[in-house]
Amino acid sequence: AQSVSQHNHHVILSEAASLELGCNYSYGGTVNLFWYVQYPGQHLQLLLKYFSGDPLVKGIKGFEAEFIKSKFSFNLRKPSVQWSDTAEYFCAASGYSTLTFGKGTMLLVSP
Amino acid sequence: DTEVTQTPKHLVMGMTNKKSLKCEQHMGHRAMYWYKQKAKKPPELMFVYSYEKLSINESVPSRFSPECPNSSLLNLHLHALQPEDSALYLCASSPRGSSEQFFGPGTRLTVL
Repeated sequence: AQSVSQHNHHVILSEAASLELGCNYSYGGTVNLFWYVQYPGQHLQLLLKYFSGDPLVKGIKGFEAEFIKSKFSFNLRKPSVQWSDTAEYFCAASGYSTLTFGKGTMLLVSP
Repeated sequence: DTEVTQTPKHLVMGMTNKKSLKCEQHMGHRAMYWYKQKAKKPPELMFVYSYEKLSINESVPSRFSPECPNSSLLNLHLHALQPEDSALYLCASSPRGSSEQFFGPGTRLTVL
């Protein structure tokens, strides 16, 4: 069965701290990977995606993620977080059509 | 046009009402999706339409009835809902041959 797990449900950081959110997936065959962000009261926005090629993917707002096939991981990183990064972050995986979401990580950045 | 639009933004309805949610995209995408999202939870897939035909129904109760009148439009008809159906309803679409989904802003539904 396809599954996505996110390691942390809640993360609290101070501004300027570095961020790494863990994501592991279990999928048969070719997998496409995504990170979505949902700011308070807003809709899902795509941060970045990986289909193939360079395993280090750069997204919007200074985020990046690294696909490590041997570890079935797709961790999200940002060198220096800002208060405005406070949001829920969802990792998702897809084989062909449907997306499987992780449970999400709530990031709270204190000023 | 590179977005998915949803109307209304907010909807309050009683348990005996009939209402509809609307989703529209003009990106030529041939797959469209309905999701339900509860607070602080990931979206849960409800229905998938591929080329205007229902391809996936994730065992959704019959009080939710999807409709795809054409390749750009997706409706979700609501009837006799329960308070626990209150949630954010998200629509998404994806291009042919791609698993990337583009999400709309959602309709926040409250059932009284």
